[in-house]
Amino acid sequence: QKEVEQDPGPLSVPEGAIVSLNCTYSNSAFQYFMWYRQYSRKGPELLMYTYSSGNKEDGRFTAQVDKSSKYISLFIRDSQPSDSATYLCAMIKAAGNKLTFGGGTRVLVKP
Amino acid sequence: DGGITQSPKYLFRKEGQNVTLSCEQNLNHDAMYWYRQDPGQGLRLIYYSQIVNDFQKGDIAEGYSVSREKKESFPLTVTSAQKNPTAFYLCASSPDGRQPQHFGDGTRLSIL
Repeated sequence: QKEVEQDPGPLSVPEGAIVSLNCTYSNSAFQYFMWYRQYSRKGPELLMYTYSSGNKEDGRFTAQVDKSSKYISLFIRDSQPSDSATYLCAMIKAAGNKLTFGGGTRVLVKP
Repeated sequence: DGGITQSPKYLFRKEGQNVTLSCEQNLNHDAMYWYRQDPGQGLRLIYYSQIVNDFQKGDIAEGYSVSREKKESFPLTVTSAQKNPTAFYLCASSPDGRQPQHFGDGTRLSIL
């Protein structure tokens, strides 16, 4: 079983809808959580970085962390066709120095 | 303009040949990483380095080698021992191992 699970999608939504993405993890040692966006043939780009349970908002993006359930989420409001990409969750253990990635969810926002 | 530069963007390898992928960063980051990404897959860690002249194997180090002679440079060599090298290779750096990593735009390696 993988340490971090993420639905591969694709997730198809109409423009303007809310995109909801999530990852589950099995090891409670993970303490720092990230979301990356990756366009085709490009490197991942950091979107959000959180290290505590609760919500963090940045523009149209909201990241949620629920450590008790070992579950993290990313919400994209007012989605645009330019949001079409693969979204990767990643996390680091408290005593660690390596990222563990989910497999990525492909998102398609249709005009 | 700070960032991570990977070159070349595309690379072709012949049978029995070693090839080297370049990664340079001007972010003054201590830690650097190499990942492999296969189609539709997540990222798998090949090697990482926390400090100059030191590096550790990741999850899939067999058939690869690295060096870290300078803080800003972390080249990856794909040796002939790597039997399935076709993939997208990503280099990343971080201020230290616990901060988020920043990525280059990758090198796509194919077999001739």
